[in-house]
This record gives sequence, C-alpha cells and structure tokens, in this order.
Amino acid sequence: NAGVTQTPKFRILKIGQSMTLQCTQDMNHNYMYWYRQDPGMGLKLIYYSVGAGITDKGEVPNGYNVSRSTTEDFPLRLELAAPSQTSVYFCASSYLRDPGTDTQYFGPGTRLTVL
Amino acid sequence: ILNVEQSPQSLHVQEGDSTNFTCSFPSSNFYALHWYRWETAKSPEALFVMTLNGDEKKKGRISATLNTKEGYSYLYIKGSQPEDSATYLCASFGRGSNYKLTFGKGTLLTVNP
Repeated sequence: NAGVTQTPKFRILKIGQSMTLQCTQDMNHNYMYWYRQDPGMGLKLIYYSVGAGITDKGEVPNGYNVSRSTTEDFPLRLELAAPSQTSVYFCASSYLRDPGTDTQYFGPGTRLTVL
Repeated sequence: ILNVEQSPQSLHVQEGDSTNFTCSFPSSNFYALHWYRWETAKSPEALFVMTLNGDEKKKGRISATLNTKEGYSYLYIKGSQPEDSATYLCASFGRGSNYKLTFGKGTLLTVNP
C-alpha cells in the first residue's frame, strides 16, 4: 500500500494563477480531508468528503474547491491564487467506522508558495 | 476553553530525560482525543485515540492520559531519545462537530544527545 499520496511536493504560483493539488489513497477509505498548515498554527480543515460524490466545507474553504468522483481521489483546486494561500497542504483519509475515533492517515504534504 | 491548546510550545531536553506536555480541549460535547507525532519533513502519524475519562494508553516509552471532565490530556515520554524529536499534535473531536478534528498548534520536542 502506498497509503496517501500527494502531488506535487512543491509548487510556486504567481498571483491569479490556478492549480490543482492531487491526493490519492489506496486504502479504500471513505473519509478524506484537506488541511492547510501555516507557521505557528494548527492544522486547519479546508474541505472534507465522506464518500464519492459528497463534499463539504471545513473551517477555511474560501478560495478553494474540491471534487470527489471516486473513492480514491480527492483533488483540491485553487482558482485564483493569492499570497494568503501560501501554506503547506496535507491530504488525509480515514476509514468508515467512526470519524471521531478513526485514525487519520496523512499524505506527505504539498508546499505551495504564491508570489 | 473553545480551542485546543497545547503547552509548552517547544521543549528542549537531554537524552535520557523524561518529559511530559499538555493538551487542553473543550470538555463539553467531548467525543475523542487524538495524539499525533509529526517528524520534520514527514507526515503526521497517529499515536493514540482516547475516548474514556481516566483512560491511559501506552506505546513503548510514550504514554498518554485523559481527563474528559476537566478537559486535558498529558503525553509522557520516558527516557527521551534523539529519535523522539518531533512535533506532538493533539486534536479533539466533539459531538456534532461534523467530522472535524480540531488540532492544537503542537509541542515541538527536541532531544539533545
């Protein structure tokens, strides 16, 4: 099992550009999450999905969009990149039993800089 | 407490020292508390998930306790080793939180050889 994989690992964007951060998991997990981690701050939830075709906003969804067409993939889209979106982005997944107690498995992260 | 708070923010210890740090979380609507270990340049990895008041979990030299009535958890590391150097994150899950874990900012532990 590769677990949770994310691409790219690093990216520099110009203000106003768009990009998609890819996330794939091969553990047949139903729940998937996108977090951002800013220096000195805790992980903040951007969007989450409880299964294919179902997504919902987290704490900080503005400026982002997601889709979940398959169980495995949960891409995060930035439409008009802004410097405030400079961050490290983590994708995570967990199984179906109980979202409160299920362990979340994290990907390696994508470091994004918007200049 | 509305947020999850961790203290101290950072900690330097010598190899062989035992250490502990704290996670405070909202006690109302409590459902579960997670501890993660996050090494530099790696992904966070789960250590423990705790739900019951008075619960104690142990994994090797690392253990954790939980007090749901007063809203805190302690993480203990016995005989710290340099490989224990990492950020330790706790996250609280409350009833009705819509699948959302609320993470603290973490405690950065550095163990000097």
